[in-house]
Amino acid sequence: EPEVTQTPSHQVTQMGQEVILRCVPISNHLYFYWYRQILGQKVEFLVSFYNNEISEKSEIFDDQFSVERPDGSNFTLKIRSTKLEDSAMYFCASTVAGGLSYEQYFGPGTRLTVT
Amino acid sequence: AQSVAQPEDQVNVAEGNPLTVKCTYSVSGNPYLFWYVQYPNRGLQFLLKYITGDNLVKGSYGFEAEFNKSQTSFHLKKPSALVSDSALYFCAVRDNGADKIIFGKGTRLHILP
Repeated sequence: EPEVTQTPSHQVTQMGQEVILRCVPISNHLYFYWYRQILGQKVEFLVSFYNNEISEKSEIFDDQFSVERPDGSNFTLKIRSTKLEDSAMYFCASTVAGGLSYEQYFGPGTRLTVT
Repeated sequence: AQSVAQPEDQVNVAEGNPLTVKCTYSVSGNPYLFWYVQYPNRGLQFLLKYITGDNLVKGSYGFEAEFNKSQTSFHLKKPSALVSDSALYFCAVRDNGADKIIFGKGTRLHILP
């Protein structure tokens, strides 16, 4: 069964450094998402991406964050200057279409630790 | 705004017994409801969804969920629990007119051998 994959599984970085989290969505999916889960808290939406554009973003997704689909398979989340509070599990998700009835398929996550 | 509530942080059930994980929702239009499960060190796995139609929805691993419009609930159920069902379960609602999924805080399910 096709899966969303994410690399790395764990990233440790120092405050102020840039990080890039990578995702390979399911191959025929057209809509892509990033969510994050701070330890012990809810899973929160960050951004959605379709047709090479951001279609929606949350308040969390400020100017320090950016997303890109550099080729036909990868979908990346960049944090330009990491803060301690960016430490979280970051999940990538994809779905085949944008309608409300379509479930999103999630990757295993990247645990980001900012020290 | 859309929201879901999971009133229990943890549910303990003996193996072989039926289980229920509770979820209530608040939406402004038609509800699009989902259940996801998270096993340790794994991502969120889709279990089932309610879009329209029958109030009892069947999903993966023998789970089902009952949609109750009058009580605005979407409880997850399984007739006979397995130890391997132990995991973190999230109820979620698709935000009407938007892309994002809104998750509940999660309920940890412990199945006792």
